[in-house]
Amino acid sequence: NAGVTQTPKFRILKIGQSMTLQCAQDMNHNYMYWYRQDPGMGLKLIYYSVGAGITDKGEVPNGYNVSRSTTEDFPLRLELAAPSQTSVYFCASSYSGQGTDEQFFGPGTRLTVL
Amino acid sequence: GDSVTQMEGPVTLSEEAFLTINCTYTATGYPSLFWYVQYPGEGLQLLLKATKADDKGSNKGFEATYRKETTSFHLEKGSVQVSDSAVYFCALLSGGSNYKLTFGKGTLLTVNP
Repeated sequence: NAGVTQTPKFRILKIGQSMTLQCAQDMNHNYMYWYRQDPGMGLKLIYYSVGAGITDKGEVPNGYNVSRSTTEDFPLRLELAAPSQTSVYFCASSYSGQGTDEQFFGPGTRLTVL
Repeated sequence: GDSVTQMEGPVTLSEEAFLTINCTYTATGYPSLFWYVQYPGEGLQLLLKATKADDKGSNKGFEATYRKETTSFHLEKGSVQVSDSAVYFCALLSGGSNYKLTFGKGTLLTVNP
């Protein structure tokens, strides 16, 4: 199993550009999450999904969009990139949302907006 | 709302020293508690967890006990190694938070030989 994979690993965007961060998992997990990690801070939830076709906002959703057309994939879309979106983005997945279930994290995408 | 406060870093120790990283939390209901570890250049990995009061989570020589009376989940290891150098995150998950993990800010641990 590859676990949770993310592409790209690094990206530099100009202000106003758009891009999609890809995330895929091969563990047949129902729940998937997008977090951002700012320097010296813990992770903050951007969006999450409890299954294909179902998504919901997390703590910091502004400036982002998601879709979940399959169980495996959960792409994160940035429209009109801004410097405030410079961060490291982590995708995660879990079988359920219960406290007994571990969230598995991808290796992250480091995004810089200039 | 839910929150996690953990010890400010960075923490620098010599090999074989005793480690404690403090973590306290505020949450509604009875959350599950976690310690995640992030090695340089990698994503987060679950280190240990506890899902109810007085549970002790343990893994790789690390331990933490869920203390409801003090709302704490301190991480300890009796003898650290250079390979333990990483950032450690305390986190909680409460049922009222739409399955959202709430993280502390992280504590950078450096272990010198």
